[in-house]
Amino acid sequence: NAGVMQNPRHLVRRRGQEARLRCSPMKGHSHVYWYRQLPEEGLKFMVYLQKENIIDESGMPKERFSAEFPKEGPSILRIQQVVRGDSAAYFCASSLTTATDTQYFGPGTRLTVL
Amino acid sequence: KNEVEQSPQNLTAQEGEFITINCSYSVGISALHWLQQHPGGGIVSLFMLSSGKKKHGRLIATINIQEKHSSLHITASHPRDSAVYICAVSPRGTDKLIFGTGTRLQVFP
Repeated sequence: NAGVMQNPRHLVRRRGQEARLRCSPMKGHSHVYWYRQLPEEGLKFMVYLQKENIIDESGMPKERFSAEFPKEGPSILRIQQVVRGDSAAYFCASSLTTATDTQYFGPGTRLTVL
Repeated sequence: KNEVEQSPQNLTAQEGEFITINCSYSVGISALHWLQQHPGGGIVSLFMLSSGKKKHGRLIATINIQEKHSSLHITASHPRDSAVYICAVSPRGTDKLIFGTGTRLQVFP
């Protein structure tokens, strides 16, 4: 049973470009969470999704950021018109039930904005 | 003030020492998680607690719901335990995690 997969592992974008980060949850898990870790800072919740639904996006910046978890395929975190302040590690986690269940983390995508 | 506070921020130990990392939180919770982040960045879930105590190998986690406090203990510490240990809580009525800033542990041989 493969763990949580994220790709790409490293992503370099120039200011103004779009970044697409992908997350495939563990097999059988329908709950996906995205977290951001800014350099030298702690992890921060961004968004919680179930298949085809956004359940809680209270941690998402109001502009340029969006997330989806379609019926088929991975969850996608999309950042439009990236700025230098978006440079961070983005982690995805999945769980069998809700956040009160154990969350399994992917290896992260390290986004660098030039 | 952060909703989740950890202490100490940094900890160094000699191999074999008993380690304690503390976590205090200020919100009502449905669960508390202890995570380990390796130097390469990967995150592993160690424990998920809602009451009492759990043990896995040399790791022990306890929680006191009334005092809003949890501890992570490492017995017979080893250099491979060197990592950042992160406490996170699931506030009651939500499905998100709020994280502490982590405790950086270095164990020297």
